[in-house]
Amino acid sequence: AQSVTQLDSQVPVFEEAPVELRCNYSSSVSVYLFWYVQYPNQGLQLLLKYLSGSTLVKGINGFEAEFNKSQTSFHLRKPSVHISDTAEYFCAVTHNNNDMRFGAGTRLTVKP
Amino acid sequence: GAVVSQHPSWVICKSGTSVKIECRSLDFQATTMFWYRQFPKQSLMLMATSNEGSKATYEQGVEKDKFLINHASLTLSTLTVTSAHPEDSSFYICSAGGGPEQYFGPGTRLTVT
Repeated sequence: AQSVTQLDSQVPVFEEAPVELRCNYSSSVSVYLFWYVQYPNQGLQLLLKYLSGSTLVKGINGFEAEFNKSQTSFHLRKPSVHISDTAEYFCAVTHNNNDMRFGAGTRLTVKP
Repeated sequence: GAVVSQHPSWVICKSGTSVKIECRSLDFQATTMFWYRQFPKQSLMLMATSNEGSKATYEQGVEKDKFLINHASLTLSTLTVTSAHPEDSSFYICSAGGGPEQYFGPGTRLTVT
C-alpha cells in the first residue's frame, strides 16, 4: 500500500520569499501524485498533479512540483509567496482507481 | 471540470440522533465514491469506499453499523451517522473518482451537542 510523508508540519515564511513544502511517498507500484490546498472550513482545492510525462508539473497560483522517482519525492515550490497563500497543504498519492492517501499536512504561514 | 457537491454544508444535531449527508457528482457519473473524515488540524482519513449498487468497503476501525453508506445511483452517495455522539463531530468530505484523479466535495461540518 502507498503512503505519504510530509516532512514539515509547519512552515513559516515571509511574504515574497520562496518556499518549498516537502513530500515523500512510498509505494511498490507506480503512483499518481497530487498537491491540494485547504483554506479554513473549506474543502480541498487541487493545486497540481503528476500522472505521467514531464516530471516538472506546473499548477495554479504559481506553484510547481517536481516528481523525483529515485528519491520518491514530490516537493511543492513557489518562488514568491503571498499572504493569501497561508493555508494547509496536503500531498496525496493514489494508484489507478484506488483510494487516495494523504500526508499529515503542512501549515504554510506567510508573514508580512 | 468535474463538480462534486455535498449537502448540508454544516449541521448541528443532538446526541443520539442520526444525520444524513449527501454527496452528488453533478456533471459526471461515479461508480465509486469515497468518504473521508477530518478532525481539526489533522489530515483526511479515508472512512469507506462507496460502490454503486453494492456494499461499501470500510477502513479498519470504522464502524459500518454506525456510518451507513448507500450508493444507490451513479451520481449520489449518502453517509448516515447513526446515534451520533460528540466524538463524531468532524468535517466529512466525499470525493468521486475519475480515473486516477478524485474530485472532492466542499465538505460537511457536523457538530453533535
